[in-house]
Amino acid sequence: EAQVTQNPRYLITVTGKKLTVTCSQNMNHEYMSWYRQDPGLGLRQIYYSMNVEVTDKGDVPEGYKVSRKEKRNFPLILESPSPNQTSLYFCASRRATTYEQYFGPGTRLTVT
Amino acid sequence: GQQLNQSPQSMFIQEGEDVSMNCTSSSIFNTWLWYKQEPGEGPVLLIALYKAGELTSNGRLTAQFGITRKDSFLNISASIPSDVGIYFCAGTPGTASKLTFGTGTRLQVTL
Repeated sequence: EAQVTQNPRYLITVTGKKLTVTCSQNMNHEYMSWYRQDPGLGLRQIYYSMNVEVTDKGDVPEGYKVSRKEKRNFPLILESPSPNQTSLYFCASRRATTYEQYFGPGTRLTVT
Repeated sequence: GQQLNQSPQSMFIQEGEDVSMNCTSSSIFNTWLWYKQEPGEGPVLLIALYKAGELTSNGRLTAQFGITRKDSFLNISASIPSDVGIYFCAGTPGTASKLTFGTGTRLQVTL
């Protein structure tokens, strides 16, 4: 089944404790991105990657890192999480030739 | 980043009613997408539009690419309880590498 998977689905952590949210897609998509979704603010792009080893900042990149060492994986790294990073996070992917983006199931992160 | 204006923000309708919602942009887009998000899940792509005036259906859902290229419309006919969710529009002028998302229309269906 074609899909985007994220892990974990739920995470509660404390301020300053480094964490990684994994994202993997099995559709051989070139383009992957990370979004956060907050009430009243909608979906905001954090980082995106056009292909392996090519990443760029989205609208709200502060406090986040990403890497794209393999085409199928695009992990999101929070080196020192803070409470304002409490949010619902989505990974998404698409082919380079279309804007039809497919989303993962989401990761709900709480930073206390 | 820019957001699209989507309306209405929320709708409460009875089962069997038709639903209309729309999305407007301040700039011309060459692609419009419509997504549905159910509680606890990621957005699911419903319909993609690529040409001004294009009308595309997916079951009881029909979406249109506005002829001004600055708006798009989604209609749901004969709503049922499983239509409940948040519907998002998304679009791009094609010159950027990312989509701009609307603020969502929350749909509630009562029996």
